[in-house]
Amino acid sequence: DSGVTQTPKHLITATGQRVTLRCSPRSGDLSVYWYQQSLDQGLQFLIQYYNGEERAKGNILERFSAQQFPDLHSELNLSSLELGDSALYFCASSARSGETDTQYFGPGTRLTVL
Amino acid sequence: EDKVVQSPLSLVVHEGDTVTLNCSYEVTNFRSLLWYKQEKKAPTFLFMLTSSGIEKKSGRLSSILDKKELFSILNITATQTGDSAVYLCAVGQTGANNLFFGTGTRLTVIP
Repeated sequence: DSGVTQTPKHLITATGQRVTLRCSPRSGDLSVYWYQQSLDQGLQFLIQYYNGEERAKGNILERFSAQQFPDLHSELNLSSLELGDSALYFCASSARSGETDTQYFGPGTRLTVL
Repeated sequence: EDKVVQSPLSLVVHEGDTVTLNCSYEVTNFRSLLWYKQEKKAPTFLFMLTSSGIEKKSGRLSSILDKKELFSILNITATQTGDSAVYLCAVGQTGANNLFFGTGTRLTVIP
C-alpha cells in the first residue's frame, strides 16, 4: 500500500457525461500527478499540482481539468466523455515538486465510457 | 521525439529461472530512470537510478544503468510466481517533474 488513495475504484458512464475522480496523496506529500493508462498505450502524464498550484502539464485534453485543494487532495474532472476516454486513471504523489522525487501511485480508477 | 522502449514485450518463464528485462531510452535532458512493478493495478516503485554503473539491489531484484549506451536492465533471479506482473520503466527529465513511461514488459512465471 503506497498511502495514496483514489476513489472511486470503478466508474461506468455514458458518452457526453462528466465525471470527477478523486485522489488523496500520501501524508506529507505536496505534489500530485495524474496519469492515464489505456490498453494500447503506457502511462501518459496528464498534469501535476504542487501545493495547490498547477506545476506541469502533459497531454491533457481541453475537456479535462484538475485542481488541488488546501487539504492537498486533488480532483480530475473529465467532461464530454468519449469512448476513447475509457482507461485507468492513476494519481501519484511525491514529497516535493523536485526532479529527484520518487512518485508513489494510487490504486487507480477504472473509467468505462459506454 | 522522446521515447522509452522496453523489451521483450512479454516473457514466460518457469519458477527458478533468471530473467533480464531491458529498457532503452532516447530523451532530452535525462535525469533518472525508474523501475516499477504493476500487478493488478497500482505501479509499485522498485528502483531509481541516476548514475551509470552502480547496481541497485533489493532481494532477488537488481538493476543497473548505462548512461553512455542509454539503457537499463532489471534482473530477477530465482523467479517466483509472485513476480508475475508488468514491469514498467520510466524516465525523469531535468526541468520536468513528470515521468515518461515505456509500455512495459509482461512477465509470467509458471510453476
